[in-house]
Amino acid sequence: DAKTTQPPSMDCAEGRAANLPCNHSTISGNEYVYWYRQIHSQGPQYIIHGLKNNETNEMASLIITEDRKSSTLILPHATLRDTAVYYCIVRGNSGGSNYKLTFGKGTLLTVNP
Amino acid sequence: DSGVTQTPKHLITATGQRVTLRCSPRSGDLSVYWYQQSLDQGLQFLIQYYNGEERAKGNILERFSAQQFPDLHSELNLSSLELGDSALYFCASSAPPGGRAYNEQFFGPGTRLTVL
Repeated sequence: DAKTTQPPSMDCAEGRAANLPCNHSTISGNEYVYWYRQIHSQGPQYIIHGLKNNETNEMASLIITEDRKSSTLILPHATLRDTAVYYCIVRGNSGGSNYKLTFGKGTLLTVNP
Repeated sequence: DSGVTQTPKHLITATGQRVTLRCSPRSGDLSVYWYQQSLDQGLQFLIQYYNGEERAKGNILERFSAQQFPDLHSELNLSSLELGDSALYFCASSAPPGGRAYNEQFFGPGTRLTVL
């Protein structure tokens, strides 16, 4: 799985959009970008994933650059409950069973009142 | 609530002992993954089972073993425990390929192991 690089920490004001960047310059053509988050010592929680098109769900939006070497997770209206460590993970999706997730250090997002 | 349950929530034991951590996946999920989260190593994949068979192995020590039973619950056995095994142990499950949300892994609340 390709390596990812994320800033160690970011701050965001409550109600504003949080934009979390991730670099994955060695991503290969069949690898997806996944985002998970972990709220203090709880189990990680899936947020969103994408291959090359931008994706949006009820939690967030994922913007992937055209060359796929970087992506941005957008939380449109951050709340205090969004304070967590956010992990950007690159993983292949084969036609068979699912595979492991390789977590890096992630970005600690702190949403301030 | 992810639908994945883990027991016990907390476990305190001594060095040299053996413990068993239990995980029940979400209904219908065939894959179970075990992860270890320690302060110095972060979240690390240990092992994956799919429908009772070992499917992938990560940085799992030889003192650790796991299995998945016919009812799909899984157990992680840790033996000859050392101080450094103190960590949070997470179990996750995912749906079969083609199933709804099969790309997601759903994590349990974890078992916090303290080795004294």
